[in-house]
Amino acid sequence: EADIYQTPRYLVIGTGKKITLECSQTMGHDKMYWYQQDPGMELHLIHYSYGVNSTEKGDLSSESTVSRIRTEHFPLTLESARPSHTSQYLCASSDGYGYTFGSGTRLTVV
Amino acid sequence: TQLLEQSPQFLSIQEGENLTVYCNSSSVFSSLQWYRQEPGEGPVLLVTVVTGGEVKKLKRLTFQFGDARKDSSLHITAAQPGDTGLYLCAGPSTGTASKLTFGTGTRLQVTL
Repeated sequence: EADIYQTPRYLVIGTGKKITLECSQTMGHDKMYWYQQDPGMELHLIHYSYGVNSTEKGDLSSESTVSRIRTEHFPLTLESARPSHTSQYLCASSDGYGYTFGSGTRLTVV
Repeated sequence: TQLLEQSPQFLSIQEGENLTVYCNSSSVFSSLQWYRQEPGEGPVLLVTVVTGGEVKKLKRLTFQFGDARKDSSLHITAAQPGDTGLYLCAGPSTGTASKLTFGTGTRLQVTL
């Protein structure tokens, strides 16, 4: 039973399009994170939030933006998708002890 | 910058074999976690080790935290195809326990 949901699971989109990747959690966690991962490779933190109206950029530079208007919702937006954005995007939340990850969104920009 | 290097990077073994995966750093960590990620899914937390020298067992998986808290190992006994996946170690980033630094990952494939 998933407590953190990401949609869509797969997305193929043309260059220049604006996209929003959705992430919602039902656990009431204050801390939420977005990671970028190429297939089978390590995770790179691109954004994180410690609560409503709190967002920070992560270790990996990203052209995406995030918002945190509600505790349970942490969407990621790309204003103009490019082929270099092709990757898997993983959302996670934490109660301070361990991370719970969503199933990810695999994005392909053509 | 804290780095967590994992070895080996890839491992392909047959069912029933034993294996060990290593996670090493030059930095001291207050704790380390291990995650397993199956293809097409997000990582799932397996264990957290917090005390230097600590050993934890999860069925056929044995996790150890180094005495100096700079390294950890994961040993799998009698591997099964269900163990296939990407294994990631992770530790709290310097300055904030709320962010994790993830290791470089070990991809394990167990065949019949």
